[in-house]
This record gives sequence, C-alpha cells and structure tokens, in this order.
Amino acid sequence: AQSVTQLDSHVSVSEGTPVLLRCNYSSSYSPSLFWYVQHPNKGLQLLLKYTSAATLVKGINGFEAEFKKSETSFHLTKPSAHMSDAAEYFCVVSGAYNNNDMRFGAGTRLTVKP
Amino acid sequence: GAGVSQSPSNKVTEKGKDVELRCDPISGHTALYWYRQSLGQGLEFLIYFQGNSAPDKSGLPSDRFSAERTGGSVSTLTIQRTQQEDSAVYLCASSLALTSGGYEQYFGPGTRLTVT
Repeated sequence: AQSVTQLDSHVSVSEGTPVLLRCNYSSSYSPSLFWYVQHPNKGLQLLLKYTSAATLVKGINGFEAEFKKSETSFHLTKPSAHMSDAAEYFCVVSGAYNNNDMRFGAGTRLTVKP
Repeated sequence: GAGVSQSPSNKVTEKGKDVELRCDPISGHTALYWYRQSLGQGLEFLIYFQGNSAPDKSGLPSDRFSAERTGGSVSTLTIQRTQQEDSAVYLCASSLALTSGGYEQYFGPGTRLTVT
C-alpha cells in the first residue's frame, strides 16, 4: 500500500526567497513520485516526476525535487519564489503494479508575499 | 493538441436528484481516472479505467456512484440520489498508460458539483 504525507498544509515565503515543500511517502514497491500544482480555478499541472532514474529531478518553472530513499522523502524546492508560484501543491506516490495504490497528499498551499 | 475536457463546469442540483458528469480524455490515452476534491482537501481516488480491462472501482464511496467508459474514450460518472456531502469538484484525468509506469496524468478543469 502507498501513502504520502505533506508535512505542511500552508507555507508562506517572501518573493525572492527559497521555497521548500515537504513530502514523505510510504511504499511497498519502488515508487513513482510526482508533484502537481493547482492554481486557483485551474486544472492540476505536472511539475515533475521521479521514476527510478536520477534522484534529483528538475521540473518546470525552476522547481526541483530530490528522491531520498533512506529518508522516504521527495521534497520540492525552488531557489527563488515568484509571485506566480502561489498555488496549491500536491505530492503523489504511485505503486509499481497497481494503479489504485496511487495516493495524493492533502496538499500544501504556498503563499508568496511581495 | 486538445487536453482533457469535462462538462458541465458547474452543476447545481437538489438533494435526491441524479447527476451525470462527462469526461473527454486526450485522444490515444488508454487510462482514465476520476477523483473527488472536497473543499480544502486533497484528491480522493474514485475509479480508473485501463484499456479494455475491468475498471478498478475500489475508491467509489457508495453504490450511488457509478462510472462507465464507452468505446475506450468518453467516460461518464453518475451519482444517484445525490446528498449534500457529494458536493465537491470532480476531476477527470487521462494518461498514456498506468502511472505505475511513470506516465503522468493530464487533468481536466473539473466539474464543481453543489447539492442543495
């Protein structure tokens, strides 16, 4: 069975400062991991994904995430926040064999202050 | 190309009525998923279809919920005898294959259902 925990329901940063959105997962298999972003009144958009290749994954809009098996983490980072990054972010884990093991985290709402 | 589309975008219905929500996946995508997103919550998996295989209905919350996918393309989610707790945004997504293979899901804009 899979599960994912997003450790912060809300993160607030100032524009130009680093962003860290934390995600821990539990998986019986080698997981695929994803980060999705949801802007207000918009659909979910894939930011990046990890599928057992390079552990440091680069995504769109300057975001990246590092898969750390020893810590069962897949934290999302960005060196410098932009106002347009304000949105809801979801960490997702998918199992190796059964897609109904796919689990979304509860989401982290990112606020960017000017 | 065209993304995943859903209709209607908004639906207001009275308690006890039946509703149908439609999803048009991206052409060529064999997998189709339905999720429910309640206010301030993450996504709750409802059901998925993969090719011609029997759908995985393990996430459907009650027997009032059902879904079908005709011709391997368009899908309809039906909620019978709606209740107020069914109020949520219903999201549809499609992917080339199962996400366990690392295939990303492409999401539609959702249908906001309000049960009064």
